[in-house]
Amino acid sequence: DTAVSQTPKYLVTQMGNDKSIKCEQNLGHDTMYWYKQDSKKFLKIMFSYNNKELIINETVPNRFSPKSPDKAHLNLHINSLELGDSAVYFCASRSRGAYEQYFGPGTRLTVT
Amino acid sequence: AQTVTQSQPEMSVQEAETVTLSCTYDTSENNYYLFWYKQPPSRQMILVIRQEAYKQQNATENRFSVNFQKAAKSFSLKISDSQLGDTAMYFCAFMKDTGNQFYFGTGTSLTVIP
Repeated sequence: DTAVSQTPKYLVTQMGNDKSIKCEQNLGHDTMYWYKQDSKKFLKIMFSYNNKELIINETVPNRFSPKSPDKAHLNLHINSLELGDSAVYFCASRSRGAYEQYFGPGTRLTVT
Repeated sequence: AQTVTQSQPEMSVQEAETVTLSCTYDTSENNYYLFWYKQPPSRQMILVIRQEAYKQQNATENRFSVNFQKAAKSFSLKISDSQLGDTAMYFCAFMKDTGNQFYFGTGTSLTVIP
């Protein structure tokens, strides 16, 4: 039973395309996150949702749009993909009252 | 803003030996949480250990232990009896008690040599 799952795990696409990455958690957690890990392995938060409400929206291009249809899902849609968007994107979740985050397996996005 | 610094980009250790990874952080908060995450080549982020700032006792999880020095804002990870499976990138992370997000260090790449 996968706790935090992401699809797809690998995504190769061309510049200018629009793509989505899906995330689901079956832990019953209230808060979900999207992180970007660049080629130097640096992890940077992008967005966070708590019970479908956006609570963190870091300075990312507005080509990135998160969507949370319910508290178990947080999807990331990216418009007009650019070369610099190539990275590994991680979804994570956290329970209310707890502080550790549980991460998905990551999605390696390659823009050519 | 909180910052987390890992000053050792790469380290290596012989199998069965002990290694310590350093982490320092900067905050004006009094209550917070600190974590070490491991990212093996599979890229999965795995929680190794956590420490609550209000606890003076250092956290331990089997072969993993921390040396938490609140006044010095230092949070190092000690791995005893290193195993080949410990080869990974290790990230230190900080979270405010009243916050919602992690602040990650830049990571330390650890290689265990057989």
